[in-house]
Amino acid sequence: EAGVAQSPRYKIIEKRQSVAFWCNPISGHATLYWYQQILGQGPKLLIQFQNNGVVDDSQLPKDRFSAERLKGVDSTLKIQPAKLEDSAVYLCASSLDAGRNTEAFFGQGTRLTVV
Amino acid sequence: EDKVVQSPLSLVVHEGDTVTLNCSYEVTNFRSLLWYKQEKKAPTFLFMLTSSGIEKKSGRLSSILDKKELSSILNITATQTGDSAIYLCASGSSNTGKLIFGQGTTLQVKP
Repeated sequence: EAGVAQSPRYKIIEKRQSVAFWCNPISGHATLYWYQQILGQGPKLLIQFQNNGVVDDSQLPKDRFSAERLKGVDSTLKIQPAKLEDSAVYLCASSLDAGRNTEAFFGQGTRLTVV
Repeated sequence: EDKVVQSPLSLVVHEGDTVTLNCSYEVTNFRSLLWYKQEKKAPTFLFMLTSSGIEKKSGRLSSILDKKELSSILNITATQTGDSAIYLCASGSSNTGKLIFGQGTTLQVKP
């Protein structure tokens, strides 16, 4: 079974530039999460989708971050414009159905450096 | 606000030692407690606990949930250098399946 795929693996951009991350969850997984993990901290939930609907985006900085999962499969996370403090690893995870108490599986993440 | 707290934040042991990692949670609509191991970037799933007092075991790792104390422990016996990693615990919400993570415990096992 293929795992959660993310791209790119690494990205370096200048502040005020834009960046987008892509995630392809495990086939058949209804729930998709985006997390931000700053060095030395635990993952912080940015947004959670159930199919193509948003379940929770309470911690997403909506003035600069946006995410979509239009067809209920792939998802993209965008930052525009980026700030220095956005430097982090962005992790995507998927779960068969979070409403049925299934575990989440993570992708390899994208390491973003904003200079 | 829901939160998950882990302790200690870091730990250094020698091969063969036994370690106990702690996780406490304050979560509305709690349903499950999950443990992950993070070596490079991707956390890998270890255990999911939903019932109090029932130990889950995988090789040298075991974990148990105490719903009365709102906590869980992860035990690693006969530690090896390959156990060096960040161990994350997360709480799952029954309403939405939202997963909230603690700060992690960094374990270093020295030869």
